[in-house]
Amino acid sequence: DGGITQSPKYLFRKEGQNVTLSCEQNLNHDAMYWYRQDPGQGLRLIYYSQIVNDFQKGDIAEGYSVSREKKESFPLTVTSAQKNPTAFYLCASSKGEVGNIQYFGAGTRLSVL
Amino acid sequence: GDSVTQMEGPVTLSEEAFLTINCTYTATGYPSLFWYVQYPGEGLQLLLKATKADDKGSNKGFEATYRKETTSFHLEKGSVQVSDSAVYFCALNTGNQFYFGTGTSLTVIP
Repeated sequence: DGGITQSPKYLFRKEGQNVTLSCEQNLNHDAMYWYRQDPGQGLRLIYYSQIVNDFQKGDIAEGYSVSREKKESFPLTVTSAQKNPTAFYLCASSKGEVGNIQYFGAGTRLSVL
Repeated sequence: GDSVTQMEGPVTLSEEAFLTINCTYTATGYPSLFWYVQYPGEGLQLLLKATKADDKGSNKGFEATYRKETTSFHLEKGSVQVSDSAVYFCALNTGNQFYFGTGTSLTVIP
């Protein structure tokens, strides 16, 4: 079945540590996105990528980094510079054309130890 | 810039009640509009969409009509069920990005 897989489902970060969240899709989508969701709030865009080897900052990119070396994969690293990383992180993908549906993974919940 | 404003929650309804969740948008150009649903601990799932003015999206008894004159895309359901309890997000797409509302939490009680 086609879809988006995020792993792990739960992740814990120690002080000063970088952690990487995985996102893989087998939908053959060009565009991929990372969002952060805090309790009672909407989705805030961290980074997005329209094509392999290219990505753009979203509204809250500080303290995060990404790579897009393969069409199927768009990992997100939460660096030690992100001082408040506790949140629910959602990865999404779409064909990249206007009007196309955005498909979401099941999310990764990141907490700080 | 482009944005979505949706009704704040939480909303609590009795089973079989009528549901309306308001959504208005601001956009340049001609956006596509979406409603997504999120169940606890999960990602978002598409509920319905509309790509041009006067289009009506519908799915699982939910409906929303793309109203360009009022820049609105209100979600409605005639008779809600306990299983409809979730958070609902209105969203628009123009160009490369999607813009989401803050979400409306719905609880349906038996």
